[in-house]
Amino acid sequence: DQQVKQNSPSLSVQEGRISILNCDYTNSMFDYFLWYKKYPAEGPTFLISISSIKDKNEDGRFTVFLNKSAKHLSLHIVPSQPGDSAVYFCAASAGYGGSQGNLIFGKGTKLSVKP
Amino acid sequence: DAGVTQSPTHLIKTRGQHVTLRCSPISGHKSVSWYQQVLGQGPQFIFQYYEKEERGRGNFPDRFSARQFPNYSSELNVNALLLGDSALYLCASSFVGENTEAFFGQGTRLTVV
Repeated sequence: DQQVKQNSPSLSVQEGRISILNCDYTNSMFDYFLWYKKYPAEGPTFLISISSIKDKNEDGRFTVFLNKSAKHLSLHIVPSQPGDSAVYFCAASAGYGGSQGNLIFGKGTKLSVKP
Repeated sequence: DAGVTQSPTHLIKTRGQHVTLRCSPISGHKSVSWYQQVLGQGPQFIFQYYEKEERGRGNFPDRFSARQFPNYSSELNVNALLLGDSALYLCASSFVGENTEAFFGQGTRLTVV
């Protein structure tokens, strides 16, 4: 049973517009959420994270929103750039022992930003 | 500063063989985790180590084992390789503590034939 779900396998957006990537989770014990970007033949690159005590975290063009009651988070990229084209993974952790070593990942959403 | 480094980058093995994958964490990071990523899926947690002890284990058979060395580097070992073990194996390192991000290496692409 998937605990972290990214229901959109792909998303296509025009350059300069907003990209919104969605993620749902089922485990109410998750208390830390992360977004990673992955290019082919590379490891995932950390983008942004959010603790369950917050509902928004912003870093430059990237903003993550968390709705705990709906068990839903989203990543907004504004404005989108062609270099943002990659697979985006949502990950969650229950903070076992205070460490984030055990991350549960979604299947990813492939974002294509067209010039 | 060097990021997480993994070796080798690519590997081809035959069914039934054994493989060892290596990982050097970012300087100062004491926690190392291993993940397996198959095509079309997100990374799946295999092991976490810090202070040279296993701190977590995912749902993988006993053919998978790992260890961490005094310098915090780590090895992942897989015995009796199966075709289904073909995947990208990722190592991630992090500080030990709450709400710390894990940083990934480029991965080792293992192909079992």
